[in-house]
Amino acid sequence: DQQVKQNSPSLSVQEGRISILNCDYTNSMFDYFLWYKKYPAEGPTFLISISSIKDKNEDGRFTVFLNKSAKHLSLHIVPSQPGDSAVYFCAAIDGEDNDMRFGAGTRLTVKP
Amino acid sequence: DGGITQSPKYLFRKEGQNVTLSCEQNLNHDAMYWYRQDPGQGLRLIYYSQIVNDFQKGDIAEGYSVSREKKESFPLTVTSAQKNPTAFYLCASSFNGYGYTFGSGTRLTVV
Repeated sequence: DQQVKQNSPSLSVQEGRISILNCDYTNSMFDYFLWYKKYPAEGPTFLISISSIKDKNEDGRFTVFLNKSAKHLSLHIVPSQPGDSAVYFCAAIDGEDNDMRFGAGTRLTVKP
Repeated sequence: DGGITQSPKYLFRKEGQNVTLSCEQNLNHDAMYWYRQDPGQGLRLIYYSQIVNDFQKGDIAEGYSVSREKKESFPLTVTSAQKNPTAFYLCASSFNGYGYTFGSGTRLTVV
C-alpha cells in the first residue's frame, strides 16, 4: 500500500520557467513532509520541509505548499535552472511511529 | 566533516552468496535506516535501528539481516534468501526522526 504517491514519473520544463512537482498522500497521521533531491548514483539530499500546521514554506527558489484537506503537497521551483535536473522524492513522516514514507520520485529535466 | 559513509559504491555478488554492505556515520545520530531503491518504486524501508543493540524490520526485511553493535555502524547483510537483490541500497541516519541524512549508496548487482 503506497501511502505517498508521485503520479508523474517525469517532468520537463524550460530554463527560467516554473517547475511544479506534485505529491499525494493517504495517511492522515502524517504530520511532517519533506522533499529530497537525488542525482544519479548519489544519496538523496534534503531540500525543503513543511509541518502539517503550515500551508506554505519558502526557501529561495523553492516553495512547498500543503493542502491538508486534499492530502496534497507540491514543490514549486522558480526560476528553474538546468542544475535542478534530478529526481525529486516526496516524503512524509507519521508522527505516531516516526516512520518516513517516500513517493516513487519524479525526474525533473530543465532544458537550457 | 560529519556524514555517512557507505562502502563499497559498487558490489557484485554471485547467486547464492551472502554479502555485507557497510554504513558508518559520525553524526552522533541515534537512529539509522536501510532503504532499497528500485526503478519506479521509490525508497522502501528494509530495517531500522533507533538505538544500539536494537533494530526492527521495515517493509521488505525478508532476505536481509542487520546488526547494531555500535552507534556509528549499521551493516546490512543481503543473504542468499533474498530473491531479487540487484538494487541500489541507501543508508540513512537521523537525530530526531525528522529529516534524514543519506549516504551515497551502494549499487549491488547479482551476476
